[in-house]
Amino acid sequence: GAVVSQHPSWVICKSGTSVKIECRSLDFQATTMFWYRQFPKQSLMLMATSNEGSKATYEQGVEKDKFLINHASLTLSTLTVTSAHPEDSSFYICSARGTFGPGTRLTVL
Amino acid sequence: GDSVTQMEGPVTLSEEAFLTINCTYTATGYPSLFWYVQYPGEGLQLLLKATKADDKGSNKGFEATYRKETTSFHLEKGSVQVSDSAVYFCARDNNRNSGNTPLVFGKGTRLSVIA
Repeated sequence: GAVVSQHPSWVICKSGTSVKIECRSLDFQATTMFWYRQFPKQSLMLMATSNEGSKATYEQGVEKDKFLINHASLTLSTLTVTSAHPEDSSFYICSARGTFGPGTRLTVL
Repeated sequence: GDSVTQMEGPVTLSEEAFLTINCTYTATGYPSLFWYVQYPGEGLQLLLKATKADDKGSNKGFEATYRKETTSFHLEKGSVQVSDSAVYFCARDNNRNSGNTPLVFGKGTRLSVIA
């Protein structure tokens, strides 16, 4: 079946640094991938739609300059949290074709 | 706007008890409906889904029936086990029927099963 991987599974960084999270479809191609954010004990909220070869589409309230998305190939989308701050600490999850990655836990000190 | 509402937890049950987690949705048209499960420290796993009215999704003893008349997709299991302890999310897609659309999630229901 379809498998989606994410790397890293967890990351701790200092405030002000940038962090890149990768999302890969391992056995299928995905022209569209989705990035979600999950706060502790809360639901997943869609952040943006990643489109291969074109700009990502961001949901209302999501800063596109802070959460940079690059979908450079049919199997890889990256989310870069720029100038991270403690309030960016969260669980970031990508999905494609209804399959979810295992998530990346980001902690900003 | 379109949304998913599920019963708030936490839900605590004894082993072998009957489980129901209610879920209702609002949507224009006929979305596909899903239940996902998130075990402690892990990502989301698809538990079951239904794509049209009266469809029943089932997996691992869990069942849910797509009820158009009540816009519901309640999750049930006849006899829960300790290993079923997790957070359960009800979700719907955006009805584009493309097979690759974002999902709208309910807030999740935490289930704890005690021996």
